[in-house]
Amino acid sequence: DGGITQSPKYLFRKEGQNVTLSCEQNLNHDAMYWYRQDPGQGLRLIYYSQIVNDFQKGDIAEGYSVSREKKESFPLTVTSAQKNPTAFYLCASSASGSTDTQYFGPGTRLTVL
Amino acid sequence: GDSVTQMEGPVTLSEEAFLTINCTYTATGYPSLFWYVQYPGEGLQLLLKATKADDKGSNKGFEATYRKETTSFHLEKGSVQVSDSAVYFCALRANQGGKLIFGQGTELSVKP
Repeated sequence: DGGITQSPKYLFRKEGQNVTLSCEQNLNHDAMYWYRQDPGQGLRLIYYSQIVNDFQKGDIAEGYSVSREKKESFPLTVTSAQKNPTAFYLCASSASGSTDTQYFGPGTRLTVL
Repeated sequence: GDSVTQMEGPVTLSEEAFLTINCTYTATGYPSLFWYVQYPGEGLQLLLKATKADDKGSNKGFEATYRKETTSFHLEKGSVQVSDSAVYFCALRANQGGKLIFGQGTELSVKP
């Protein structure tokens, strides 16, 4: 069954700690994306990657980092430099970067204690 | 820059009522337009899309027509069900690149 998995579903972090959110896809998609969702708001793009070993900053990349060492994996690290990290994080993928529909994972809810 | 504006929610309807959620956009060129739906605690699911002017996207009884002259992509359904209760997001993908730009979302609540 093809799809996008994100883990964990819920994540709690103490202030000052880095934390890594997992995103895996078995759709053989080239492009992957990370979005942040805050209550009552639309989604905002954090980082995206159109191909392995390459990624670009989105609109709100400060305080986040990513890697794309494998086609199927695009982990997001929320660093201690992110001033307000509590949010719902969504990973998406598409067959290619510029023309194809994006499909979303189930999301990870991060709460900073 | 490119942007998407949706009608504010929450929208509360009775079962079998007609639904319209307004969406207008600002973009250069010819963007593709999308409606996504988010059920509580879940990720987004693609509901329908349209890639050029006058295209109509449809799925599960929902429809939306890409109107370039009014820069709109309003979502409609003739008879809503309780199971349609969710948050609906309108989005565009600009001609250049794969970035999606989302509206703020419209919460729909359907009562029996």
